[in-house]
Amino acid sequence: EPEVTQTPSHQVTQMGQEVILRCVPISNHLYFYWYRQILGQKVEFLVSFYNNEISEKSEIFDDQFSVERPDGSNFTLKIRSTKLEDSAMYFCASMWYSNQPQHFGDGTRLSIL
Amino acid sequence: KQEVTQIPAALSVPEGENLVLNCSFTDSAIYNLQWFRQDPGKGLTSLLLIQSSQREQTSGRLNASLDKSSGRSTLYIAASQPGDSATYLCAVYRDLYNTGTASKLTFGTGTRLQVTL
Repeated sequence: EPEVTQTPSHQVTQMGQEVILRCVPISNHLYFYWYRQILGQKVEFLVSFYNNEISEKSEIFDDQFSVERPDGSNFTLKIRSTKLEDSAMYFCASMWYSNQPQHFGDGTRLSIL
Repeated sequence: KQEVTQIPAALSVPEGENLVLNCSFTDSAIYNLQWFRQDPGKGLTSLLLIQSSQREQTSGRLNASLDKSSGRSTLYIAASQPGDSATYLCAVYRDLYNTGTASKLTFGTGTRLQVTL
């Protein structure tokens, strides 16, 4: 069964450094998402992407965050200058069409030192 | 603002029992509801999606219902097994059929299920 893949599974970075989290969504899906889950807390929405542009972003998704779909298969989340509070599990998700299930990857655990 | 609540926060049952997990949400306007399973340190596995026009969905030993008028959903697990032990999350997203708009999921805090031998 097709799945969403994320790399790396674990990323350790010094505070202030840039980090790029990578995702390969399911190939025929049209909608793409990033969510994050701080340890012990709810999964929370960051950003959605459709038709090559951001569809919606949360308050968390400030100027330090950006997303790209550079080549029609990858979907990346960049954090320009990481903070301690960015430490979380980051999940990528994709959806084929409106009102279909969202499918999640296994996540990237980001640890900021 | 949509708020999603799950009760109980944790549940321990002996193998073979049938059980019900509850999910409630504050804004019951046209929302779809998706149930997920999360194993420790892992991603989210989609279990069932109930579209806003539906009342229930079934997959194997799982049955999920949706009552929009009361803002509630239940996930029924029949004949529980130790392999069912995980955290179960419900999440809602607006029905934006044919609008071309990507709708975000709003998650509950989850119910941590332990099925004992």
